[in-house]
Amino acid sequence: QKEVEQDPGPLSVPEGAIVSLNCTYSNSAFQYFMWYRQYSRKGPELLMYTYSSGNKEDGRFTAQVDKSSKYISLFIRDSQPSDSATYLCAMFGSGAGSYQLTFGKGTKLSVIP
Amino acid sequence: KAGVTQTPRYLIKTRGQQVTLSCSPISGHRSVSWYQQTPGQGLQFLFEYFSETQRNKGNFPGRFSGRQFSNSRSEMNVSTLELGDSALYLCASSSGTGGSEAFFGQGTRLTVV
Repeated sequence: QKEVEQDPGPLSVPEGAIVSLNCTYSNSAFQYFMWYRQYSRKGPELLMYTYSSGNKEDGRFTAQVDKSSKYISLFIRDSQPSDSATYLCAMFGSGAGSYQLTFGKGTKLSVIP
Repeated sequence: KAGVTQTPRYLIKTRGQQVTLSCSPISGHRSVSWYQQTPGQGLQFLFEYFSETQRNKGNFPGRFSGRQFSNSRSEMNVSTLELGDSALYLCASSSGTGGSEAFFGQGTRLTVV
């Protein structure tokens, strides 16, 4: 079992839809949780950062963490074509014997005008 | 505030050669981490340098090495290149406090022929 599981998609939604992206993890040592957005041929861009269970909102984005279920989500409201990208979840803690960010494989999202 | 700068952006090398990639972190950040991104494996952690010392290491062979200078700039070296080393190499800059936010550069696209 991989430490972080993320559905690769692709996910295609109409403009204005609410998007839900999810990751599950198995390592209880993960303490910090991040979501990155990566456009084609670019580096990942940090969208959301959180370290506690519950919700964190930033504009159209809401990050949700449930440590008891080892499950994190990113919600995008009123999705726009400019949101079309690959979304990566990342978790920080002791993984594979060292402290590092462990990433999901990414979900490719397309928002259709 | 300038972001993370990686040079060069693109490289083409021949099998057996070696290559050096460079990363300049955000001003004031003392931690630089390196990642390899491929379509099949996603983002994988190589190593992290903090205050000129390797602090954490992933599961890559010894052909992959790095160093960090007193100004926090970092270099990554890959010796005896293999076709499978073709990837996007990303560096991430952070303050170095455990679990702090990590900001990525645009990456260096390495192609081994």
